[in-house]
Amino acid sequence: DQQVKQNSPSLSVQEGRISILNCDYTNSMFDYFLWYKKYPAEGPTFLISISSIKDKNEDGRFTVFLNKSAKHLSLHIVPSQPGDSAVYFCAGMIGQFYFGTGTSLTVIP
Amino acid sequence: KAGVTQTPRYLIKTRGQQVTLSCSPISGHRSVSWYQQTPGQGLQFLFEYFSETQRNKGNFPGRFSGRQFSNSRSEMNVSTLELGDSALYLCASSQRSGQAISNLDEQYFGPGTRLTVT
Repeated sequence: DQQVKQNSPSLSVQEGRISILNCDYTNSMFDYFLWYKKYPAEGPTFLISISSIKDKNEDGRFTVFLNKSAKHLSLHIVPSQPGDSAVYFCAGMIGQFYFGTGTSLTVIP
Repeated sequence: KAGVTQTPRYLIKTRGQQVTLSCSPISGHRSVSWYQQTPGQGLQFLFEYFSETQRNKGNFPGRFSGRQFSNSRSEMNVSTLELGDSALYLCASSQRSGQAISNLDEQYFGPGTRLTVT
């Protein structure tokens, strides 16, 4: 059973606009959430994380929002750049990491 | 500091065979986790090793096994290969030591081993 879900397999955004990637989870016991970015032929690289006791974490152009009541988190990229084109995975952690299926982001120049 | 390395990068095997994949973590990292990535399934957790002991295990059949050596290097073995085992196998290392959550839990992934079973 998929405990972390990314219901949008793909997303296209114009360069300079905001990209919003969404993630839903079912396990309210998750302590920590992380976002990873993956380019083809490379392993995922860590992007940003958020503790379950917070509702927002910012790092440069990347902001993650956590809505615990809705069991939903989102990653905002502002402004989007062509180099952001990649597959983005969200993950929840409790003992081990549970990853979503990924969203492929394409930023159009 | 060198990153996580995985060997081989590509592998083609036939059904019924077995395969061993290798992972060398970042120096100083004692936790090594293995994941299977298939289209539409995301990253599925296989197992985690810490100090040569399996600490967590995902929901995979016993054909999937692993081990960790005293230098933290890890191997994953899949026996009696099936067509459905074709996937990208990723290894990740971290400084994570205990079960408590901290910023040490950040995992660093290797490039993966692409296994094709024919």
